[in-house]
Amino acid sequence: DIVMTQSPDSLAVSLGERATINCKSSQNVLSRSNNKNFLAWYQQKPRQPPKLLIYWASTRESGVPDRFSGSGSGTDFTLTISSLQAEDVAIYYCQQYYGIPYTFGQGTKLEIK
Amino acid sequence: EVQLVESGGGLVQPGGSLRLSCAASGFTFTSYAMNWVRQAPGKGLKWVSSIIGSGGSSYYADSVKGRFTISRDNSKNTLYLQMSSLRGDDTAVYFCAREADGFDSWGQGTMVTVSS
Repeated sequence: DIVMTQSPDSLAVSLGERATINCKSSQNVLSRSNNKNFLAWYQQKPRQPPKLLIYWASTRESGVPDRFSGSGSGTDFTLTISSLQAEDVAIYYCQQYYGIPYTFGQGTKLEIK
Repeated sequence: EVQLVESGGGLVQPGGSLRLSCAASGFTFTSYAMNWVRQAPGKGLKWVSSIIGSGGSSYYADSVKGRFTISRDNSKNTLYLQMSSLRGDDTAVYFCAREADGFDSWGQGTMVTVSS
């Protein structure tokens, strides 16, 4: 199984400041066939289902604010929120969909400092 | 608008069975693989099972293999999860999710509690 490890487990950032969450996969999730990374990022707020933010490691889902961006390739990935807003308080998960079983990171809890 | 609505959760004794349903609308159901993902109270997300659009192939996490069965009725636009031999560690909110470059749509979830 591909193990996804996020860092940090929790993060406190001031409003308007940058937040960075890292995700490392135990195996490469870059497909040679389409040169895409099978890596997604989700945001989950309390008592809500997860919401897809980023897919193919760096493609923003429709309607997601452009302060959210994804980067990385192979085994190392980053989710960046360029200017933290109050509504961004949530738990963020990375997920690989390169192979079954699909696996998620343990989550990173983002709070306001 | 894509909608996924789960139902069928509840309280069940250890060793018991339960069938979850996920009613889909707003998209061509047969065009998408569908998944079940669960979340134990206060814990992270765990993929449970996946089924392709035709229903011809399905996949399971090791923790549920042999106990859970995923299926779909494409005439009713509904996804199912038949759960048997339930254990305490199956207690979780169960979400259905549409698969499209990641899981792009999720239901609100249905709670399953396994307890005597």
